[in-house]
Amino acid sequence: AQSVTQPDARVTVSEGASLQLRCKYSYSGTPYLFWYVQYPRQGLQLLLKYYSGDPVVQGVNGFEAEFSKSNSSFHLRKASVHWSDSAVYFCVLSAGTNAYKVIFGKGTHLHVLP
Amino acid sequence: DMKVTQMPRYLIKRMGENVLLECGQDMSHETMYWYRQDPGLGLQLIYISYDVDSNSEGDIPKGYRVSRKKREHFSLILDSAKTNQTSVYFCASIPGQGGTQYFGPGTRLLVL
Repeated sequence: AQSVTQPDARVTVSEGASLQLRCKYSYSGTPYLFWYVQYPRQGLQLLLKYYSGDPVVQGVNGFEAEFSKSNSSFHLRKASVHWSDSAVYFCVLSAGTNAYKVIFGKGTHLHVLP
Repeated sequence: DMKVTQMPRYLIKRMGENVLLECGQDMSHETMYWYRQDPGLGLQLIYISYDVDSNSEGDIPKGYRVSRKKREHFSLILDSAKTNQTSVYFCASIPGQGGTQYFGPGTRLLVL
């Protein structure tokens, strides 16, 4: 069965600190993986996506993620966070013969202390 | 400018009333989605629409139905709303299989 696990429901970091948000997926084939961000009272917006190739993908606002097939992971990173990065981050898997069906992690709520 | 719109943004209904949530997109995307979002549960898929009059149940379709008569519009209907359908509902569309989803701003529904 396909699944996405974000083990940290909430993460708190200080402004300027580095960040890693964890994502583990379960899928036997080659996944399409995404990170989306949701600011308060808004819809989700794409941060970055991985289809194939270089396992490190760059996204908007200084975010990057690294795909690891051996670890079934797609962790999100940022070298130095800003208070405006406070939001909910979702890891998403699109997989299988029906790649229209997407599976969302439950999200990680990031709180950046000013 | 690629955009997904949702109307209304906020809605209060009484239990047993009918609810119509509307979604529009200006990108000619074939595939559209309805999700609901509840605290601690992430997004749950209600329905997928692959094109006009081509709809498929998602993970939690019970109590909902959909209508897609034009490619750019996708409606979610709650016949006789229940209090446990209080939630935030999001519509999304994608340009192709496995593609980036474009989300609307959401509709906050309160069923009393």
